[in-house]
Amino acid sequence: QVTLRESGPALVKPTQTLTLTCTFSGFSLSTSGMCVSWIRQPPGKALEWLALIDWDDDKFYNTSLKTRLTISKDTSENRVVLTMTNVDPVDTATYYCARLYIATADVTWFDPWGQGTLVTVSS
Amino acid sequence: SSELTQDPAVSVGLGQTVRITCQGDSLRNYYASWYQQKPGQAPVLVIYGNNHRPSGIPDRFSGSSSGNTASLTITGTQAEDEADYYCKSRGSSGNHLVFGGGTKVTVL
Repeated sequence: QVTLRESGPALVKPTQTLTLTCTFSGFSLSTSGMCVSWIRQPPGKALEWLALIDWDDDKFYNTSLKTRLTISKDTSENRVVLTMTNVDPVDTATYYCARLYIATADVTWFDPWGQGTLVTVSS
Repeated sequence: SSELTQDPAVSVGLGQTVRITCQGDSLRNYYASWYQQKPGQAPVLVIYGNNHRPSGIPDRFSGSSSGNTASLTITGTQAEDEADYYCKSRGSSGNHLVFGGGTKVTVL
């Protein structure tokens, strides 16, 4: 059974750096086609893709947030970490991690998702 | 604005059929995947690739694609299908991912 769980602070002050950890089980991030991604959802709003890291340690970022995001993995510990610098109240959202599987170049999907963690940015 | 466009909301009668669409140039090259999200819950994959359903997803959910439009169809809609539905695909550059703005399905 594949599971993912997000952890991190519930409250962060503006301008601080947010660090989120995704701990997963049931698959290996060194297996071809396997990736872990971060997605967020502000309250009452749509999903927004943030970043992903693949089995080959390649990293991809949302273009509009690229300068503030860093994604990394610890394959032996089954963890993926996302850092976001200089947070602002508009970054208040539920942050999800999810496994992304790349079946072929044109077929990819997120499954499963973690339960999400709500992060509030406020002074 | 999102690279993938969805209608914000749609309503459907109990037992009827509803089609949810997702439009974007990248859909000419990449398949969409579809996610159901109920209030307070994480999204759940319902369709991926060329109309594939994960284990446990009822066969009333189906997907299709034509040109720059991907569609999710629910045939014989049940009350428990009331939820937000999001499409996802690669972005136009191919190096990033993008979600549609979501469609809220209300079952009457």
